[in-house]
Amino acid sequence: AQSVTQLGSHVSVSEGALVLLRCNYSSSVPPYLFWYVQYPNQGLQLLLKYTTGATLVKGINGFEAEFKKSETSFHLTKPSAHMSDAAEYFCAVSVGGTSYGKLTFGQGTILTVHP
Amino acid sequence: GAVVSQHPSWVICKSGTSVKIECRSLDFQATTMFWYRQFPKQSLMLMATSNEGSKATYEQGVEKDKFLINHASLTLSTLTVTSAHPEDSSFYICSARWDRTYGYTFGSGTRLTVV
Repeated sequence: AQSVTQLGSHVSVSEGALVLLRCNYSSSVPPYLFWYVQYPNQGLQLLLKYTTGATLVKGINGFEAEFKKSETSFHLTKPSAHMSDAAEYFCAVSVGGTSYGKLTFGQGTILTVHP
Repeated sequence: GAVVSQHPSWVICKSGTSVKIECRSLDFQATTMFWYRQFPKQSLMLMATSNEGSKATYEQGVEKDKFLINHASLTLSTLTVTSAHPEDSSFYICSARWDRTYGYTFGSGTRLTVV
């Protein structure tokens, strides 16, 4: 079975600073990896996903993530934080086989951006 | 494109009554939809996978008689919480896969409060 661990339930950065949200996964087969953002009382919006191919994935709003198989990681970064980036972020993994299509989510990381 | 509409966005009901939540794919056909539950300050937990024209597949520990799922058409899946109790109060989110490259889209969620 697959699992996801997000290191740090809360991350606080200054506006303009680098954003780094950590995600490590566990999977016995090649995973598909996702980052989602959730604003209060709303659904999830996809930031980016890795399925196959290039390991550095660029997403919306200036976010990117790099799939590192050797480290089983998929950390999310953004060079310069904006106030509007304050939200909760979820890393998720999906695999094929009997779990085809199911997403397993990490615990979430709340990002706070202060002036 | 790939929009999922979820209604209602919030509902308050009395203990013992039933509540129906609808999830519609507006511009694509969703053969498979997923229902998640999210407790405050926690991650999303998959409850069940809804397949058009067949019975839903429930995750371990989810009471199928309490959380009735119907996926009668390619654009509509419903979750009915039967005989609701205060412990069923939660945020429920539906999701559908809209392409073969693991493109998932999420509804905006339903906040259920049972009093």
